[in-house]
Amino acid sequence: DAGITQSPRHKVTETGTPVTLRCHQTENHRYMYWYRQDPGHGLRLIHYSYGVKDTDKGEVSDGYSVSRSKTEDFLLTLESATSSQTSVYFCAIRTRDRDEQYFGPGTRLTVT
Amino acid sequence: DAKTTQPTSMDCAEGRAANLPCNHSTISGNEYVYWYRQIHSQGPQYIIHGLKNNETNEMASLIITEDRKSSTLILPHATLRDTAVYYCIAHPLQGAQKLVFGQGTRLTINP
Repeated sequence: DAGITQSPRHKVTETGTPVTLRCHQTENHRYMYWYRQDPGHGLRLIHYSYGVKDTDKGEVSDGYSVSRSKTEDFLLTLESATSSQTSVYFCAIRTRDRDEQYFGPGTRLTVT
Repeated sequence: DAKTTQPTSMDCAEGRAANLPCNHSTISGNEYVYWYRQIHSQGPQYIIHGLKNNETNEMASLIITEDRKSSTLILPHATLRDTAVYYCIAHPLQGAQKLVFGQGTRLTINP
C-alpha cells in the first residue's frame, strides 16, 4: 500500500484557526502531493514536493502552505481556515516503478 | 498536459466488458495516457498507463488508437466493485507530474 498515511482523518475547526494536516510515507519516495476534492470538482492539486525542502505550487495554492523537513513527512497548513477550505484532502506519493501516484485515505476537514 | 474528454456516465451489466472511452486529441508525443479510478470516498487508485502500444494488466486493458488521439479502457468482466468514477489523464513521465483530474466517467455496474 506504499506505506502512506494521513492524519487526522477527520477534523472540525472554526473559521480563523490554523490547521495542519500531515502526510506520512515509509518508502522514501521523492515526490509527494496534496490535493483537495470538492463536490462538482475533480481533484485539484494544492502543492507538491520533489524533495526535502523543495516544494512548489499547484493549481489552488492560495491560503495554503506546505513544508517538508524530512523525506517521510509532508505537511499542509491552513494558516487561517475559511469555510471555503472545507473539503476532503488527499495526499499522494509518486512511485518509482510505474510512475503512478498512490493516494492516501484522505482527511475530511470541516471549517465552521 | 493534454486535455482529455470523457463521457459523464456509463452503465454496464455485471459480468460484461466495460469499455470506457477517452478523447485526447491534443496529446503530445511524450505524454502517456494514465487511468485512475475512485471508488466512493476513497483516494484515487491507479489502473493502467500506456504510450502508444496496447497494454494489459491484472485489472484492465488499455487500447490506444494509432494516431494516439483517443483510447479505451476495458474492464473485461465487470463486477459490482468496479462501480466508480474513472479518470483518464494525459501527462509526460518527466517533470513534476502535476495531475489534472477532470470530471471523469461515473461507471455503474448493474446486477
